[in-house]
Amino acid sequence: AQKVTQAQTEISVVEKEDVTLDCVYETRDTTYYLFWYKQPPSGELVFLIRRNSFDEQNEISGRYSWNFQKSTSSFNFTITASQVVDSAVYFCALRSLRLEYIFGTGTRLKVLA
Amino acid sequence: DAGVTQSPTHLIKTRGQQVTLRCSPISGHKSVSWYQQVLGQGPQFIFQYYEKEERGRGNFPDRFSARQFPNYSSELNVNALLLGDSALYLCASSRVRDGTNYGYTFGSGTRLTVV
Repeated sequence: AQKVTQAQTEISVVEKEDVTLDCVYETRDTTYYLFWYKQPPSGELVFLIRRNSFDEQNEISGRYSWNFQKSTSSFNFTITASQVVDSAVYFCALRSLRLEYIFGTGTRLKVLA
Repeated sequence: DAGVTQSPTHLIKTRGQQVTLRCSPISGHKSVSWYQQVLGQGPQFIFQYYEKEERGRGNFPDRFSARQFPNYSSELNVNALLLGDSALYLCASSRVRDGTNYGYTFGSGTRLTVV
């Protein structure tokens, strides 16, 4: 079975703090893809990153960074120097050779000014 | 270029009624998928269509059906609506080349309320 777990339901931080969103996944497939999406109040899912199972290099994009560790089946997302505009629900998702995505339940991030 | 467009944005229906939701994919995207997102949960896969054929179906009852048209737009139909069908319905399109799916772009969704 495939599963994505985001244990943090809601996180509140003060602006400029760093915050890490956790994602743990389960799959028996050797080829798979992991994603992070941001969902602002408007509802649209905004793509942030895609990683495939053969590329464990960490990635940094501006204030965003991702830590992919196959040994612990984790794909964590860190926002450095958080801003109020980062407030949203963040979803981690898994896709294997089947084409549908398996989403976690999301983490609501509140960044307070 | 226009993104994935969905209509209507909001909809209120009564239990037992039928509803049709519409989705226009990004130009050049031939694959369309539908997801249901209940409040407080992550999106759940309903259907995927590629080249007008159903390629995948999630664990939803037969009251849910969909189709894809020659222009690659898609409709999701839900019959005999239940209160539990109240959700945000998301459409996503993707480019597929040589059997490789290049990842979804999601629309803003249709928020369906069943009363």
